[in-house]
Amino acid sequence: SQTIHQWPATLVQPVGSPLSLECTVEGTSNPNLYWYRQAAGRGLQLLFYSVGIGQISSEVPQNLSASRPQDRQFILSSKKLLLSDSGFYLCAWSPGHGYQPQHFGDGTRLSIL
Amino acid sequence: QKEVEQNSGPLSVPEGAIASLNCTYSDRGSQSFFWYRQYSGKSPELIMFIYSNGDKEDGRFTAQLNKASQYVSLLIRDSQPSDSATYLCAVNRPGNQFYFGTGTSLTVIP
Repeated sequence: SQTIHQWPATLVQPVGSPLSLECTVEGTSNPNLYWYRQAAGRGLQLLFYSVGIGQISSEVPQNLSASRPQDRQFILSSKKLLLSDSGFYLCAWSPGHGYQPQHFGDGTRLSIL
Repeated sequence: QKEVEQNSGPLSVPEGAIASLNCTYSDRGSQSFFWYRQYSGKSPELIMFIYSNGDKEDGRFTAQLNKASQYVSLLIRDSQPSDSATYLCAVNRPGNQFYFGTGTSLTVIP
């Protein structure tokens, strides 16, 4: 069966520091991968999605970037965090074919001080 | 117009009652429809998906789809306090584009 791993679970970072969040998927190949952010009490905001290695689409302009160095690895990065980057970051995957659901990792709660 | 719209609630039902959650979507090209449950502080968990018009039942949950009206619903029978959560409706359009609603908060009162 497929599983998705996302770490760390919580992170506290000072303003201006760098960020790296990692997500890996097991038990499938060539998945579509997604990064979302969810502010407290709000809906999901799609940040990036990827249909293959090195293929990244950005949905919103921000100081974040994403990379997919391997088929089942998705990384969210920032060079300098802003206070507004606080939130709940979720990685998700879906099969690369058909109209099938997304499955989410456990998320990373990021607090910027 | 939002891609997916849900009533934010909160929706309160007594224990044992039927909870009815509704969702509308704007694009008739949407192909598949999903319901996720999200407990406070946790990630969304898939509970139901439906592709064809009509009803799909899984235990206490029933998903209903009406493509002509662009309407999806989730019924929860015999609601339990453990069903208290935010329920997210999502649609998948061609090109594997997912759109989520902002969620409906459900509280089941013991």
